[in-house]
Parts: sequence; C-alpha cells; structure tokens
Amino acid sequence: NAGVTQTPKFQVLKTGQSMTLQCAQDMNHEYMSWYRQDPGMGLRLIHYSVGAGITDQGEVPNGYNVSRSTTEDFPLRLLSAAPSQTSVYFCASSYSGQINSPLHFGNGTRLTVT
Amino acid sequence: AQKVTQAQTEISVVEKEDVTLDCVYETRDTTYYLFWYKQPPSGELVFLIRRNSFDEQNEISGRYSWNFQKSTSSFNFTITASQVVDSAVYFCALGLMDSSYKLIFGSGTRLLVRP
Repeated sequence: NAGVTQTPKFQVLKTGQSMTLQCAQDMNHEYMSWYRQDPGMGLRLIHYSVGAGITDQGEVPNGYNVSRSTTEDFPLRLLSAAPSQTSVYFCASSYSGQINSPLHFGNGTRLTVT
Repeated sequence: AQKVTQAQTEISVVEKEDVTLDCVYETRDTTYYLFWYKQPPSGELVFLIRRNSFDEQNEISGRYSWNFQKSTSSFNFTITASQVVDSAVYFCALGLMDSSYKLIFGSGTRLLVRP
C-alpha cells in the first residue's frame, strides 16, 4: 500500500541548478497534481494532469515543467532554480479528476534554494 | 473570486478544552465542496472531511464536529476535549465543480494543545 510516493524528501539547490521532483502512485489514478506550500499561504496548485499525455497549468506554474508519460508518474521539473522556489512540494492524486473523488497526498518534498 | 480565509493563525489551548477553528469561504458557484485537512508535525496531509454545498447537515466524528452554514459562508471545525495529539496545522479548502479538481486552500490554523 505505497499510495503516493515522493522523492527526495529533502533537497538543497543552488540558484540556477536544475532538478526533478519525483512523484509516483500505484493506485491507477488518472488525476495527479503538484502543490507548493509556503508559510502563511496554504497550498497552491502548480500543475495538474487528468491522464497520461495531458497536463495543464494551475495557479502558480511559472518556473516549473511537468510531463505525464505514464499513468503512474508525474515528475515536476525546475529548470533553473530560484530562491523563490524554496518551499514544501506536495504531489496528490485521485481516481478521477472529479471533485468528489478523494485526493491522496504524498508526504512532501522540502526544497531549499540558496 | 474564489477564496478561503482562516483568520486564526495560531491557537493555543490546554488539554481537554474545546476549540473551534474558523473557515470562511467565497465563491459565486452554487455547487462546490469544502474540505478540512490536518497536517501534524510530521508534515503529511491527512484528509478529515469533505462536504458538498447541498448538504448543510452538521457532522460529528468522535471528538470532531463540523458546522456548515451557507448563510454565512462558513465551515467551522470544533474539537471537543482536545488532546496533545491534536496539535497540528489545520487547513480548510474549497473545491469547485467546474474545474478539474483545483482545491483552494486557506492559509491554515496552527493548533497547539498543551498538557
């Protein structure tokens, strides 16, 4: 019962470096999404996907890329990290993209950009 | 505009006290969902409840209860006889039916329950 798995749990980057945050789910969920959590601001949606090959932007997509080549995986890419991207990132998935389908969150990745 | 406001940034109570966490939302949609999530110190997000806009019945689950009032656009969360394990950040969120599962979160309320 792995659920939603995020790796790594912690990461420190220097400004300008690139990296990929990994997210995998084993529940055959069609819908996957990425949120970032910043102090005093709750969680904000970065990108989401309603199925393999389909992605769309959320509230704060700038500086991030995503792809969905398989149902299981939804990586989040930072091409050139900036200090403003220091945050905790959560991946979430649900069986469908409908709002009444429970959303399952991963345990988060804490990213620091210096 | 869609918005969720949790005006209480931090609340501190002594164990066994009752505590209410406030949530006020804004939306022009007539169909929507409201959620509460708990984030304990370990950092994961734990789903507590989902309520749709057509169901204004209050809900009770053990020591937890929720009061949904459309007239005041509020979805408040009460913990009865609080315990130290209730210490966490609690998020209220609004979900809209016409979007593909976009949750709009409040800024969270940090609850500290002291022994």
